[in-house]
Amino acid sequence: GQNIDQPTEMTATEGAIVQINCTYQTSGFNGLFWYQQHAGEAPTFLSYNVLDGLEEKGRFSSFLSRSKGYSYLLLKELQMKDSASYLCAGALQTGANNLFFGTGTRLTVIP
Amino acid sequence: SQTIHQWPATLVQPVGSPLSLECTVEGTSNPNLYWYRQAAGRGLQLLFYSVGIGQISSEVPQNLSASRPQDRQFILSSKKLLLSDSGFYLCAWSQRAGETQYFGPGTRLLVL
Repeated sequence: GQNIDQPTEMTATEGAIVQINCTYQTSGFNGLFWYQQHAGEAPTFLSYNVLDGLEEKGRFSSFLSRSKGYSYLLLKELQMKDSASYLCAGALQTGANNLFFGTGTRLTVIP
Repeated sequence: SQTIHQWPATLVQPVGSPLSLECTVEGTSNPNLYWYRQAAGRGLQLLFYSVGIGQISSEVPQNLSASRPQDRQFILSSKKLLLSDSGFYLCAWSQRAGETQYFGPGTRLLVL
């Protein structure tokens, strides 16, 4: 089976940097997605890592280590609008139903 | 560009009543389509996925069914709703397996 673990809640200050960790266990791993989900809204795609290393997109960066089964999402220069849940999702190599989601990390940004 | 629509946005239904939620995708052809449910405080649970017209795969035994009558239309149904069917229902699409899934706006269902 597949399993994904991420912290349930985090709090950070506006303007700061926060790192949201995600660990996964699965066979046939293909890559890792991060989604952002504001309360009451649908998840929106942030990043997809297939290879080891850090990928940067503006204020958001995502890191993957396949050997350690570990990923993190790094948010810089936090803004109040970054308060949301961040979902980690593993992708499998085969099958159309190939994403398995964690329960999400609810991030609260405080002034 | 591609867009995905879901309706209704919100629905309140009595226990035992039927359900029909609709999802349509524009701007792409032959997408993979997915139905997820997100219960309060829980992660996304995949309910059904479809790789083509009339092709439906179920991930979990449940009170719900899905159909794909047209290439870009995906319908979630129930004959008799249960209290436990309450939740946030999300439709998603991807061009191929292994690629990014994009979500619709969701339907919030409350069964009373």
